[in-house]
Amino acid sequence: GAGVSQTPSNKVTEKGKYVELRCDPISGHTALYWYRQSLGQGPEFLIYFQGTGAADDSGLPNDRFFAVRPEGSVSTLKIQRTERGDSAVYLCASSPDSGYGYTFGSGTRLTVV
Amino acid sequence: EDQVTQSPEALRLQEGESSSLNCSYTVSGLRGLFWYRQDPGKGPEFLFTLYSAGEEKEKERLKATLTKKESFLHITAPKPEDSATYLCAVQASTGGFKTIFGAGTRLFVKA
Repeated sequence: GAGVSQTPSNKVTEKGKYVELRCDPISGHTALYWYRQSLGQGPEFLIYFQGTGAADDSGLPNDRFFAVRPEGSVSTLKIQRTERGDSAVYLCASSPDSGYGYTFGSGTRLTVV
Repeated sequence: EDQVTQSPEALRLQEGESSSLNCSYTVSGLRGLFWYRQDPGKGPEFLFTLYSAGEEKEKERLKATLTKKESFLHITAPKPEDSATYLCAVQASTGGFKTIFGAGTRLFVKA
């Protein structure tokens, strides 16, 4: 597609439930990033993929968070046992390779009630 | 620890009133410094990459400059459509390829 696509755009879930957030990057972009953004803050790094492998997952807050990119294109961010503190906008970005400026999607707004 | 601090937090300008946004950074070797624009409800939009002190980049009414400790985003004769949050971010040469973002400067331009 022409841009980075994220689905769903909004997700409301109950505390303790499992959620999956999907990112479809720009075709041909090998680097893919997940960030989360809270109101009034800048994006906070979660994980970076180069191809199919997670090159840097140092930003994942705990083991409830996991992300995959099995075929080197679409990526899924998975959150288990959601907590109210997980509520934020989850942003996905891609770039042609590492070290370039990113193209971001519009994000998934996750609300845990 | 790599860190990015942006000031001011918010800036209100009249249309045509030029100003600058500041980004101070601490990083263990700079691979690149990035500026993004973010509109409400949308993801950040890439504007510029700067790699070394003394470098400048321009796009329409925006000009970004870089020193060894900070970057400035100069806005010349802004228009209401320039109203947005401007984010500064850095990649460290020793930190893999993750980008560290500042909290942003919210710019309001009044007609």
